[in-house]
Amino acid sequence: GQNIDQPTEMTATEGAIVQINCTYQTSGFNGLFWYQQHAGEAPTFLSYNVLDGLEEKGRFSSFLSRSKGYSYLLLKELQMKDSASYLCAVVDSNYQLIWGAGTKLIIKP
Amino acid sequence: DTAVSQTPKYLVTQMGNDKSIKCEQNLGHDTMYWYKQDSKKFLKIMFSYNNKELIINETVPNRFSPKSPDKAHLNLHINSLELGDSAVYFCASSQGEWNTGELFFGEGSRLTVL
Repeated sequence: GQNIDQPTEMTATEGAIVQINCTYQTSGFNGLFWYQQHAGEAPTFLSYNVLDGLEEKGRFSSFLSRSKGYSYLLLKELQMKDSASYLCAVVDSNYQLIWGAGTKLIIKP
Repeated sequence: DTAVSQTPKYLVTQMGNDKSIKCEQNLGHDTMYWYKQDSKKFLKIMFSYNNKELIINETVPNRFSPKSPDKAHLNLHINSLELGDSAVYFCASSQGEWNTGELFFGEGSRLTVL
């Protein structure tokens, strides 16, 4: 079967750095998305990786290793507003989007 | 100017009723989707639709039916509502063929079935 694994919950301190991991086993691979979802709101797009390596976008970076079936989202200089769920989603060979259950990130002052 | 808008935002109804949720996107996107997010926050695809093809997740009961009057609209109709249908339903759209671009989500419609 197809599977996306992410930690259920993480806690970090304001101003620090946090890395949220995502491992996947899917039938084929056509890209990996990260979305942010604040409580009670819709998911919003953060990043897309299809080639190996690091994509940097401001305080957020996303890394992909296709051979390891692994990605991470790196958040720097954490702010209270970064408290949210972070969803990893993989596009398989049939262009189906397989979603992880999300990682709830709690930021403490 | 909202890119993907859905109405109503909140819907409370009795078991057995029929209800509809409307969705409109003004982004000119080719593909629209309906997702269900349950209390465990897991996003589950229900339907994917572009102007050529409708893809239905086979696990979705046939009480649920999408209706698309045109490319900018994809409405969700639910017959004979059950308690387990309580969830947040998100409409989304993307450019090009399905799942080849980022998804733009509507604000969600929280359905409560009593």
